[in-house]
Order: sequence, then structure tokens, then C-alpha cells
Amino acid sequence: AQRVTQPEKLLSVFKGAPVELKCNYSYSGSPELFWYVQYSRQRLQLLLRHISRESIKGFTADLNKGETSFHLKKPFAQEEDSAMYYCALSGLGAQKLVFGQGTRLTINP
Amino acid sequence: ETGVTQSPTHLIKTRGQQVTLRCSSQSGHNTVSWYQQALGQGPQFIFQYYREEENGRGNFPPRFSGLQFPNYSSELNVNALELDDSALYLCASRQDTTANYGYTFGSGTRLTVV
Repeated sequence: AQRVTQPEKLLSVFKGAPVELKCNYSYSGSPELFWYVQYSRQRLQLLLRHISRESIKGFTADLNKGETSFHLKKPFAQEEDSAMYYCALSGLGAQKLVFGQGTRLTINP
Repeated sequence: ETGVTQSPTHLIKTRGQQVTLRCSSQSGHNTVSWYQQALGQGPQFIFQYYREEENGRGNFPPRFSGLQFPNYSSELNVNALELDDSALYLCASRQDTTANYGYTFGSGTRLTVV
């Protein structure tokens, strides 16, 4: 079965502090992992994917196959990072994305 | 370049009724997927259409059906509405069937069943 778990529904940190949003997955094959973000009053959009190994808006995420995790990290949080974050999984060539339940990140000034 | 547009934005229906939600895909995108997002949950895959044929389906009953038209716009139909069908319905389009990262999401239709 394919499953994505985001253990924290809410996460609150101060501006300038490090941020880590946790994501664990369950998948029998080789997954593709993604982080999607939804800012207030905006639509869901792709933040980054593990294959590209890129840093977007200061965020990075490393796929750890041993721990089946894909945590999202940023060393210094900014107020504009406040949003809803969803971790998602897809099998190679699959038609669907499997989403976690999301983490609402709030950056306090 | 236009994005994905969905209509209506909000809808209230009575249990047992039928509803049709509409989606206009982003220009150049030939694949459309529909997701249901219940309150406090992540989106759940309903089905996908590619070139007017359904080519993937999630764990939803047959009363959830869809159509994709030659211009790649699409519809989600739900018959015999139940209270648990109350949710945000998201449409997402992409250019082909394999590039999962290429989704463009619409803003959604919020359906309330009373």
C-alpha cells in the first residue's frame, strides 16, 4: 500500500529559526517524492521534488530510503514561509499522487 | 498561458442529488486528474483522464464518474450525493501521463451536501 504520513498537523517556529517538516512514506517500489505548498488564498503548487535535488526558496529535502523519509528543511525561516505543506508520493509512471494530510507551518515574527 | 479554472467555486446540494463540477485545463495539457480533499486532510485521487479515456482510478465508488472533452476540459459527476461527499474538489492538469511533477492545480470547487 502507498501511504504518506506527516506526523505534525501544526508547526510553529520563530523567524530565523530552523524549520523541519517531517514526512514518512510507505511504498514497495521506487517512489518519486514531492513537496507541495499552498499559501493563503492560493492554489496548491509544487515546491520541490527529490529527483531534481534542488533548493527552492531556501528549502531542501533529501530522500532517505533506509528511513523511508523525505523531510523538508530550511535553515532560517522567514515569515513568508507560513503556509500549508503537503508531502506527496508517486510510483514511477503512476497516474496518481498520494498526499499526506499536510502540516500547517506558522512563522512567528 | 492560462491556468486551470474550475467552476463553480462553491456549491450546496441536498443528499441524494446529482452534481457536475467543471474544469478547464491549462493550455497544452492533455491529462487531467481529479482529487477530493476533505477538511483537514490531504487531497485524495479520484481518477485521471488522458485523451478522453479514463486511465486510472482511486478508491471511489462508481457514482463518481467523469468526462474529458476533445478540448481537454473535463467534468466530474457525482450521483446520489452523500453527506460525506462534502469536500473541496480539485482538478489538476499536466502535459502527459508520466510527468507527475508537472501538475497545475485549480483553486477547487467546495461542495457542501446537506
